[in-house]
Amino acid sequence: EDKVVQSPLSLVVHEGDTVTLNCSYEVTNFRSLLWYKQEKKAPTFLFMLTSSGIEKKSGRLSSILDKKELFSILNITATQTGDSAIYLCAGGANNAGNMLTFGGGTRLMVKP
Amino acid sequence: EPEVTQTPSHQVTQMGQEVILRCVPISNHLYFYWYRQILGQKVEFLVSFYNNEISEKSEIFDDQFSVERPDGSNFTLKIRSTKLEDSAMYFCASSSFSGANVLTFGAGSRLTVL
Repeated sequence: EDKVVQSPLSLVVHEGDTVTLNCSYEVTNFRSLLWYKQEKKAPTFLFMLTSSGIEKKSGRLSSILDKKELFSILNITATQTGDSAIYLCAGGANNAGNMLTFGGGTRLMVKP
Repeated sequence: EPEVTQTPSHQVTQMGQEVILRCVPISNHLYFYWYRQILGQKVEFLVSFYNNEISEKSEIFDDQFSVERPDGSNFTLKIRSTKLEDSAMYFCASSSFSGANVLTFGAGSRLTVL
């Protein structure tokens, strides 16, 4: 059975801190690793990673994938209160259904 | 920015009743999905749909569930006879092609079964 595990479950930091969120995966016919940010409503897409060792960056967020260790991290530097959310990691399968297996999420709270 | 829209945002129903959750995917997307999230639990895959047929479904998606694309814009999830354990947030998603797993999610429909 496919499995995605995220750690930590929750994290409380102060504005300006740097955080690292972890994601390990076991996905049959793995194709990609995705990060989503979930605030009150829809999960919004952050990154998709398909190759090991290539860092993807978007502003203060960056992510990298290790396909040998089946692991990904999401870094957020200089955190702001607007970064407070649940961060979801999902493993994407290379199958007809294009299925995503989600982890349980990391709840990040950034205090002023 | 294009978005996936879902209605209703919240529905309360009695056990045994039928519910239909509606979704309007992004207009040029061809692949459609339903996921659900029971309160405090993970987002779980239910079903994917392409070219007017189901391409994949999970064990959760039993005979009580069905999906339909009744016209060129809507994508619906029907639960025939709701159970208490069907209470969850149901997310619709769409993607432009299956070659990448990037799904765009709607805001969700919260279903409460009493």
